Amino acid sequence: TQLLEQSPQFLSIQEGENLTVYCNSSSVFSSLQWYRQEPGEGPVLLVTVVTGGEVKKLKRLTFQFGDARKDSSLHITAAQPGDTGLYLCAGGRGRSQGNLIFGKGTKLSVKP
Amino acid sequence: DTGVSQNPRHKITKRGQNVTFRCDPISEHNRLYWYRQTLGQGPEFLTYFQNEAQLEKSRLLSDRFSAERPKGSFSTLEIQRTEQGDSAMYLCASSNSGGLTDTQYFGPGTRLTVL
Repeated sequence: TQLLEQSPQFLSIQEGENLTVYCNSSSVFSSLQWYRQEPGEGPVLLVTVVTGGEVKKLKRLTFQFGDARKDSSLHITAAQPGDTGLYLCAGGRGRSQGNLIFGKGTKLSVKP
Repeated sequence: DTGVSQNPRHKITKRGQNVTFRCDPISEHNRLYWYRQTLGQGPEFLTYFQNEAQLEKSRLLSDRFSAERPKGSFSTLEIQRTEQGDSAMYLCASSNSGGLTDTQYFGPGTRLTVL
């Protein structure tokens, strides 16, 4: 069974601090998606990474896919209260196997 | 708005009743997925369609659950004889299998509460 472990599970920080969220697995994934979810809403896609070692930047967010495509990280610089939410990583298993494997998420709270 | 839409957004029902949810995917997407999410957990896969064909079903999808996508566009998820354990957020997503990454885009979800 493929699993994705996210850490930390909860993170409460002050505005302006930096943070990193990790997503780890013993399995190889063909792609890795990061989503952010607000309470009562569906996940909103932040980024998709597909190549081992790939780094993508989205304003203050930096995403990295591990060289072996088994892990990923999300780094937020100078966090703002608007970054508050549940961050989910999801592994893709290739086009012939459609579903994503999700981690449990990291609940981030950024206090002003 | 050309995103994934789901209806209703909220459903409260009594145990034993049947409920049906609808999902309208992004128009050019040929794949449609259903997931279930409970509190404190990430979404868990239920089933997915490519066009009209249901290609995969999770073992989470008991025989009380049935999903259809009759014309390869919208989909419905029906739960018969609901149980309290069915209370969850039901999420729909769609993707284009011909795209570069087959990335899935999610709708806002339907929150089901079974009393």
